[in-house]
Amino acid sequence: RKEVEQDPGPFNVPEGATVAFNCTYSNSASQSFFWYRQDCRKEPKLLMSVYSSGNEDGRFTAQLNRASQYISLLIRDSKLSDSATYLCVVRAGGYNKLIFGAGTRLAVHP
Amino acid sequence: NAGVTQTPKFQVLKTGQSMTLQCAQDMNHEYMSWYRQDPGMGLRLIHYSVGAGITDQGEVPNGYNVSRSTTEDFPLRLLSAAPSQTSVYFCASRDTTSKSYEQYFGPGTRLTVT
Repeated sequence: RKEVEQDPGPFNVPEGATVAFNCTYSNSASQSFFWYRQDCRKEPKLLMSVYSSGNEDGRFTAQLNRASQYISLLIRDSKLSDSATYLCVVRAGGYNKLIFGAGTRLAVHP
Repeated sequence: NAGVTQTPKFQVLKTGQSMTLQCAQDMNHEYMSWYRQDPGMGLRLIHYSVGAGITDQGEVPNGYNVSRSTTEDFPLRLLSAAPSQTSVYFCASRDTTSKSYEQYFGPGTRLTVT
């Protein structure tokens, strides 16, 4: 079983749609959680950290469920510019170790 | 600031050749790391360094060497290239004094081994 699992997609949605991505992690001792965004053939960049109480940044909302070892990312009012791959990232086993999921691809169409 | 830079952007090697992928950062970050990204597998940690003179192995270190003689530079050496090392390689750095754990990635090196 992979340490961080994501639905690979692709999710094809029209502009203005709401879309949700899920991620599960296997290590119950994981300490920090993140969503990174990766555009095609580019480097990953931090989108947002995920806090236990859930957090929101504009159209993006992240949730964490430690009991179920589950992280989610909700994107409201999708824009064409949201088209990218979204990587779920978990920190476990000391401050050096970040585990990346394989990513979920989102394609927003007009 | 240039951030994290990597050279070359593209490279084709023959099996058995060796080469060094260069990585530099100008943010005075102590922590630097190398990842490889393959389709369907996510980024996997190859080697990392918590400061000049200190390196350690990650998840997939075999076939790669690193050194860290300065805070700025963290080169990755392929000792004898194999087709299984065909991948996209990303270098990253992080400010260990920050609680955000945000990693800054370079633009990547696309390596093909024939």
